[in-house]
Amino acid sequence: DVKVTQSSRYLVKRTGEKVFLECVQDMDHENMFWYRQDPGLGLRLIYFSYDVKMKEKGDIPEGYSVSREKKERFSLILESASTNQTSMYLCASSPWGGSYNSPLHFGNGTRLTVT
Amino acid sequence: EDQVTQSPEALRLQEGESSSLNCSYTVSGLRGLFWYRQDPGKGPEFLFTLYSAGEEKEKERLKATLTKKESFLHITAPKPEDSATYLCAVQAGNSGYALNFGKGTSLLVTP
Repeated sequence: DVKVTQSSRYLVKRTGEKVFLECVQDMDHENMFWYRQDPGLGLRLIYFSYDVKMKEKGDIPEGYSVSREKKERFSLILESASTNQTSMYLCASSPWGGSYNSPLHFGNGTRLTVT
Repeated sequence: EDQVTQSPEALRLQEGESSSLNCSYTVSGLRGLFWYRQDPGKGPEFLFTLYSAGEEKEKERLKATLTKKESFLHITAPKPEDSATYLCAVQAGNSGYALNFGKGTSLLVTP
């Protein structure tokens, strides 16, 4: 089974701090994604990556950046955390198989609170 | 702009009371429609992929169907352990591998 591991289940940070959320997958997947999930808004795509050192903006990239130095690891960075970034953050991965129709495999999320 | 709308937002069923969840979509070039289940405090868990109108997939008490405008997740004789949030997502031809999610239907099945 695919395993997507997010390093922290819960994080509490202060406004203005630089925050790193880490995600590791063990199935050699090419594609990795960061979503945030908020009540009433559903899952929204922040950034995604098709390969090492490649990144693409999703629907809500403002205030975030990403890093993918190794194939299995995809980091989400909050450059200067703000209270409106309090949310559940979900990492996902999927294989590149010559087909667009690959389901995403999700981690269990990091619940971030910014005070 | 691609849109995915799920209804109802919340549904309460008695154990054994069958029902359906709806996912309507407007996308440019549908590549696939996905159903996920999400339990509280966990990430979404993949259930089904549907590729073309008329297709159906089944798993235990769940059956997913697809038309050109919407998908249904039918739940037959549900049990309390089916309680979860069910998410629908689409993959469009112009979105690469990313999925565009609906807001979900929260299902509660009572004994």
